[in-house]
Order: sequence, then structure tokens, then C-alpha cells
Amino acid sequence: SQTIHQWPATLVQPVGSPLSLECTVEGTSNPNLYWYRQAAGRGLQLLFYSVGIGQISSEVPQNLSASRPQDRQFILSSKKLLLSDSGFYLCAWSVQYNEQFFGPGTRLTVL
Amino acid sequence: GESVGLHLPTLSVQEGDNSIINCAYSNSASDYFIWYKQESGKGPQFIIDIRSNMDKRQGQRVTVLLNKTVKHLSLQIAATQPGDSAVYFCAENSGSARQLTFGSGTQLTVLP
Repeated sequence: SQTIHQWPATLVQPVGSPLSLECTVEGTSNPNLYWYRQAAGRGLQLLFYSVGIGQISSEVPQNLSASRPQDRQFILSSKKLLLSDSGFYLCAWSVQYNEQFFGPGTRLTVL
Repeated sequence: GESVGLHLPTLSVQEGDNSIINCAYSNSASDYFIWYKQESGKGPQFIIDIRSNMDKRQGQRVTVLLNKTVKHLSLQIAATQPGDSAVYFCAENSGSARQLTFGSGTQLTVLP
């Protein structure tokens, strides 16, 4: 069966510090991968998606970036965090034109 | 741009009653819709989906209805239980990578 992992589960970082969130998927090959951000009490905002290794599409201009160094690994990064980067970050995967499956999320607090 | 929105931000129902959560979408070209359930502090969990060539689809205690004429989607939960308390999102497909556009969510609270 397929599983999706995200780490860390929670993170508290000072403004201006770097960020690296990791997502890995097991049990499937060549998935579409997605990064979402969710503000408290709000819906999901798509940040990045990837249809293959090294292929990244950005949906929202910001100080975040994403990379896909391996087929089932998706990384969200920032060189300098802003207060507005606080939120719940969710990674998801899908195969072909089917539903997306979400990971457990990372709660990021920028102070 | 196209968006998916929800009629009601909150919904309270008595345990054992049926719940109906509504969703309006604006992209008439969307052909795939999903309902997700998100419990506090967790990632969204797939509930049920429906393609535009269908009007109704049933799962275990859940039914999704699609009215393409008025671009309306609903999720019906039968015999609502305390464990059903969560935020429910509808989503529609868009883009070549099957990007999903999510609505703002409805908080369902089940009263004892």
C-alpha cells in the first residue's frame, strides 16, 4: 500500500532563518506531488506541484521554493522565513487523474 | 480565476440526524470533484469523488450529488456520528496535472 510521510511534524523558526520540509511517498512510482499551505481556519492554497523529477511548477509567487531530487521525494525550502510563512504545510500525491492523498502535515510557526 | 466556494461556513447537527454540506463551483469545464474530511491538526482525508458524467454516487453513509446545471455539489452524511465532526472541503480539478482547487471548508459539529 501507498504511504506518505512528512517531517518534521512541528517546527518553530525565527524570522529570517532557512526552512527545509521534506515529503516522501512509498508504494507508488512517478506520482504527481503537491505542496499546499493552510492558514488557521482556512482552505488549502496550492504552492507547488511536480509531475516528475526536476519538474516544478509554482502557483504562488513567494519566498518559498520546491525541489524534487528523487521520484518520490519532494522538498519545500526557504532561504529566509517571513512571519507570513507560518501555517500548516501539507504534501500530497496523486497518480494520473485521480484523487490526491495527503500527508500528516507540518505545523510551522515563524516568530 | 475559477474558484470553488461553500454556501455555509459552519453546520451543527444532532447526532443521528442527516447532514448536508453544500458547495458551489464556477468552472463549468471541471469534470472531477472530491470531498475531503479534515480533522483538527491532520491532513485532509479522501471521502468520496464524482465525475461529471454522473449525478450521484454513494459510499458508506455518504452520498455526493452533482448538479451541473447550477454548478452545485453536495455531500450527504447519513446518521451523523460524533466522529463526523470535522471540516469538510469540496475540490474540483483544474489544470493538466489535475491540480485541485479547494473551497474554504465547512465546519461540521455533531451535537450529542
